[in-house]
Amino acid sequence: NAGVTQTPKFRVLKTGQSMTLLCAQDMNHEYMYWYRQDPGMGLRLIHYSVGEGTTAKGEVPDGYNVSRLKKQNFLLGLESAAPSQTSVYFCASNDGGQQFFGPGTRLTVL
Amino acid sequence: SQQGEEDPQALSIQEGENATMNCSYKTSINNLQWYRQNSGRGLVHLILIRSNEREKHSGRLRVTLDTSKKSSSLLITASRAADTASYFCATALYGGATNKLIFGTGTLLAVQP
Repeated sequence: NAGVTQTPKFRVLKTGQSMTLLCAQDMNHEYMYWYRQDPGMGLRLIHYSVGEGTTAKGEVPDGYNVSRLKKQNFLLGLESAAPSQTSVYFCASNDGGQQFFGPGTRLTVL
Repeated sequence: SQQGEEDPQALSIQEGENATMNCSYKTSINNLQWYRQNSGRGLVHLILIRSNEREKHSGRLRVTLDTSKKSSSLLITASRAADTASYFCATALYGGATNKLIFGTGTLLAVQP
């Protein structure tokens, strides 16, 4: 099993550009999450999904959108990137107990 | 706002010593979990303790939970240089049906060889 994978690993955007981060899990988990991690801030929940076709807002959802069209995939979109969205983004899935994390995407917005 | 607050923020010890990290939280929980993050990597689950448990062991890890004080501690015994990492506590809130976790800000542990 690959577990949780994320693409891309790194990305540099200019202010106003858009992009989509892809998360995929092969563990058949219902729950999936997107976090951002900033220095000294821990992980903050952006959006999450409790199953295929569902999404919900987390702690810091502004400026992001998500979709869960397939159970194994959870996409995070930035429609108009801002420098404040420079961060490391982590995807995770949950088996009802622990969370399994992807390796992260380092995004820089200039 | 963060549910969990770890203490200390940073800890430096010698190999072979024990490392203790503390976590405090604010509201009732279903369970509390500890994760480890090596620099530049994703988080890895270490241990989960449920609200009706007081202590749990896994290898060199010992976790305690005091729900009356809303606090938990993670003890790493006989530390090794490879234990150098950031450690985060995360709480699953009571009654939550979404399995969401709220993470603290972490403790950076450096184990000197």
